[in-house]
Amino acid sequence: DAGITQSPRHKVTETGTPVTLRCHQTENHRYMYWYRQDPGHGLRLIHYSYGVKDTDKGEVSDGYSVSRSKTEDFLLTLESATSSQTSVYFCAIRGGGQGPYEQYFGPGTRLTVT
Amino acid sequence: DAKTTQPNSMESNEEEPVHLPCNHSTISGTDYIHWYRQLPSQGPEYVIHGLTSNVNNRMASLAIAEDRKSSTLILHRATLRDAAVYYCILSRGNFNKFYFGSGTKLNVKP
Repeated sequence: DAGITQSPRHKVTETGTPVTLRCHQTENHRYMYWYRQDPGHGLRLIHYSYGVKDTDKGEVSDGYSVSRSKTEDFLLTLESATSSQTSVYFCAIRGGGQGPYEQYFGPGTRLTVT
Repeated sequence: DAKTTQPNSMESNEEEPVHLPCNHSTISGTDYIHWYRQLPSQGPEYVIHGLTSNVNNRMASLAIAEDRKSSTLILHRATLRDAAVYYCILSRGNFNKFYFGSGTKLNVKP
């Protein structure tokens, strides 16, 4: 299994509070991704990173920010959580260069915003 | 955005082949087709991917239509462990951004 962990695994927070989710890898992979998955749906890309301090938006980036200060960690921040951000969040990593290389997914973080 | 369409659910008998269809009529020339599957309470895992030609690996086969507007994932002999949600995904660009469909939930009967 790829060395990828997510923390916390479960979190309940109140509307309006800031939340940070952490993705940690031990594979030294260049590419990292954050997705969200809502009930009955596939995953949707929030943000991705192609190197330290190099990040870009995905298809559902509003309300989220990311940071990557070192290769192994990719942080997802909800500046002011809303109920619409209740979801399961998955991190993925990918090695190789540019191209269709396999993405390895973490176990997910279940976030509930009350 | 690159969109895919899949049936919501399918059922198969154990030890029989399964053909999971996917439509991707808006695919562009450089989009790759990927299949991943997701077991309950887990992240997705890789199954197979291709561009134009049919592909085989130890898990499955991928048949791609000549016009690339559809593809089919083939599990040659379904087992109970193959029960999962199967996602047909298009990837676009150098950063391999994935566009997931809604997936097909495969139920395998013993």
